[in-house]
Amino acid sequence: GAGVSQSPSNKVTEKGKDVELRCDPISGHTALYWYRQSLGQGLEFLIYFQGNSAPDKSGLPSDRFSAERTGGSVSTLTIQRTQQEDSAVYLCASSSEDLSTDTQYFGPGTRLTVL
Amino acid sequence: KQEVTQIPAALSVPEGENLVLNCSFTDSAIYNLQWFRQDPGKGLTSLLLIQSSQREQTSGRLNASLDKSSGRSTLYIAASQPGDSATYLCAVRGSYIPTFGRGTSLIVHP
Repeated sequence: GAGVSQSPSNKVTEKGKDVELRCDPISGHTALYWYRQSLGQGLEFLIYFQGNSAPDKSGLPSDRFSAERTGGSVSTLTIQRTQQEDSAVYLCASSSEDLSTDTQYFGPGTRLTVL
Repeated sequence: KQEVTQIPAALSVPEGENLVLNCSFTDSAIYNLQWFRQDPGKGLTSLLLIQSSQREQTSGRLNASLDKSSGRSTLYIAASQPGDSATYLCAVRGSYIPTFGRGTSLIVHP
């Protein structure tokens, strides 16, 4: 595709429910990132995938959060037993492997609201 | 640990002014620095990327400079327009995980 896409664009859920957020990166991009942006806050790194390497999960805030990337392309971020503090915009970005020259391309985000 | 600071946090100017947004970082061992724009309710759009070996990049009315030794970057916006209203973020990449500043919220009023 032409850019990074995310779905759904908005998700409203009840506290305690599980949610899945999807990211389709730019074709050919080996690196994929998930970030969280809370109201008035900066971008919080969550998880990083690079090719077939083990993901860097160091940013995940709790064991309720998990993510996978199938076939080196589409990624799903899962939040189990959602809490109100999980309400935020979840952003996905992809880039090529060259750290010096690569640009991060962001998707439009998924706005999650936990009631 | 890399820390990125953006000053000012918010800025409101009349149309036509030339602007300077500042980004400072604590660790000069970086691969690149990137400036993004974020419109309300949207994702981030890349504006300019400056590699560590470069001093500046230009795109239209935008010019970004990088001084690694002092840990500073500036984004210069010439002849500002209401359509430039957005939040501007800088991101420093010293490893595969970039560090973002909290942004400068810009309003350009007619």
